[in-house]
Amino acid sequence: AQSVAQPEDQVNVAEGNPLTVKCTYSVSGNPYLFWYVQYPNRGLQFLLKYITGDNLVKGSYGFEAEFNKSQTSFHLKKPSALVSDSALYFCAVRDQPGAGSYQLTFGKGTKLSVIP
Amino acid sequence: EAGVAQSPRYKIIEKRQSVAFWCNPISGHATLYWYQQILGQGPKLLIQFQNNGVVDDSQLPKDRFSAERLKGVDSTLKIQPAKLEDSAVYLCASSPGLQATDTQYFGPGTRLTVL
Repeated sequence: AQSVAQPEDQVNVAEGNPLTVKCTYSVSGNPYLFWYVQYPNRGLQFLLKYITGDNLVKGSYGFEAEFNKSQTSFHLKKPSALVSDSALYFCAVRDQPGAGSYQLTFGKGTKLSVIP
Repeated sequence: EAGVAQSPRYKIIEKRQSVAFWCNPISGHATLYWYQQILGQGPKLLIQFQNNGVVDDSQLPKDRFSAERLKGVDSTLKIQPAKLEDSAVYLCASSPGLQATDTQYFGPGTRLTVL
């Protein structure tokens, strides 16, 4: 069965410093990977996705993520954190068609706090 | 372009009562999803529709939960009767089609509290 792990419940970073939110996954075939952000009392907002091709994916609000097949990871990064980036971040994975569950499986989320 | 709309935003009920949530997806999106997000967890898929047909309801507690999308556009999710453990945020999402690569776009959610 496919699964996603976000090993850190919370990440604290100073404003202006680079940030990383970690994600590892397990699938049967090739993964399709997604990052979403959730602000308080809001739904999930799509940030970026990896389907195929370049391992470095650029997304909204200056975020990017690096796909590493050998480490089965898809870490979210941003060169310079803003206080407004403080939110809950979810990694999600879908297996390739025919290889496993068709569902989008989410991690439990990582709370990012950017300290002024 | 309007996003996914959901109502109500908040609902408080007593256990054993019934409740219904409404969702209107992004215009033209064929696929609609209902998720349950319990505090401290990621969203969990309850049911997925393609137009007005059910694609996956394997994680829907069918003894108390039901959902429909009669005209292939908006959808309702019902809980009858509610239990304390149903307290959660219910998220609706939509995507253009059934491709595994399709992005799902989420509504603001309905926060349900069962007392």
